[in-house]
Amino acid sequence: EDQVTQSPEALRLQEGESSSLNCSYTVSGLRGLFWYRQDPGKGPEFLFTLYSAGEEKEKERLKATLTKKESFLHITAPKPEDSATYLCAVQADKLIFGTGTRLQVFP
Amino acid sequence: GAVVSQHPSRVICKSGTSVKIECRSLDFQATTMFWYRQFPKQSLMLMATSNEGSKATYEQGVEKDKFLINHASLTLSTLTVASAHPEDSSFYICSARGWDSVYEQYFGPGTRLTVT
Repeated sequence: EDQVTQSPEALRLQEGESSSLNCSYTVSGLRGLFWYRQDPGKGPEFLFTLYSAGEEKEKERLKATLTKKESFLHITAPKPEDSATYLCAVQADKLIFGTGTRLQVFP
Repeated sequence: GAVVSQHPSRVICKSGTSVKIECRSLDFQATTMFWYRQFPKQSLMLMATSNEGSKATYEQGVEKDKFLINHASLTLSTLTVASAHPEDSSFYICSARGWDSVYEQYFGPGTRLTVT
């Protein structure tokens, strides 16, 4: 069965304290892995697409990497405005979401 | 670019009434639109996929007679929750994929439905 697991469920960081979020997956026929940011009461906002192991994408303080079994979202020197839920999703026959990591960054 | 809107953002209705939610792609033509629902602190679950001019494909366990989807144009899809009940209360989110997107989906802001 296709499955996406994200860890940790919640993460509290001090402003400037770098960390990583994990997304592990088991899926037959991976066609892409996506990272989204979701603010409370809002729809997901697209961040990155990764297609093959070894691929990396960067955007401001965020960097996404992909291996054959997992993806990491690295957050460098986070700011309070980075506080949100970060969702990982894999494209198989359909888009399958993980339950997200709720990130809180304190000043 | 790739902006998707939903209307209304929030709706409260009485049990037994029907509710229509609109999803529009504002700056691109959406060949495929998707409808998801999300319960508190849970992930997004795909309900159905619709292609313009075709009948929607529903995921297992989703009642097509209760969740009516129409994708009448390349920029508009609607979800009608027929005879809504309190257990239908949820956050409904649509997404759209355009001609030049291989797999990327762009999401709307969501609609909070509360059935009393």
